[in-house]
Amino acid sequence: EAGVTQFPSHSVIEKGQTVTLRCDPISGHDNLYWYRRVMGKEIKFLLHFVKESKQDESGMPNNRFLAERTGGTYSTLKVQPAELEDSGVYFCASSQVTRADTQYFGPGTRLTVL
Amino acid sequence: AQSVTQLGSHVSVSEGALVLLRCNYSSSVPPYLFWYVQYPNQGLQLLLKYTSAATLVKGINGFEAEFKKSETSFHLTKPSAHMSDAAEYFCAVRPTNFGNEKLTFGTGTRLTIIP
Repeated sequence: EAGVTQFPSHSVIEKGQTVTLRCDPISGHDNLYWYRRVMGKEIKFLLHFVKESKQDESGMPNNRFLAERTGGTYSTLKVQPAELEDSGVYFCASSQVTRADTQYFGPGTRLTVL
Repeated sequence: AQSVTQLGSHVSVSEGALVLLRCNYSSSVPPYLFWYVQYPNQGLQLLLKYTSAATLVKGINGFEAEFKKSETSFHLTKPSAHMSDAAEYFCAVRPTNFGNEKLTFGTGTRLTIIP
């Protein structure tokens, strides 16, 4: 069974540009989560999808971040325009609705904003 | 709000020695507790979890953790360190109510194994 995959693994962009991160959850996992780790600090929750609906987006830092999950499969996280403080590692995780106590994480996307 | 404190951002132990990584949490009610590990260039992998069953939890790779409500702790231990244990370890908590699945992480502890 394939795990959670994320694309790209690394992205380097200039301040003011747009970047889109993609996450493919484990097949059959209706829960999808985004987290971010900035500058070696703690990993912080961004938002939670159940299928295509946003269950909790309390961690989204501001309106420059837009997450979508069309069709309840893969998800994208767009940052527009990117700022220096957006640099960090963005993790995606997924879980089954009936086994939500276990979240499976992807390898992360390392975003660097110059 | 819930929070997690991991004492020691870096811990070094000799190969074969006891590994002890500390985690204390703050929560108004006992939460679910987790330890995750991140090996170099990999994602987070679940080591073990406490979800209101036995207070001593055994995980993968010989790790275990004990939930101590009176001390609000969930320390991670392994009797004998192996070189392959070198990684970064994260303690996390989440509420127990269905639908509230946001994990709150500590700042991580990087474990170095000395040959």
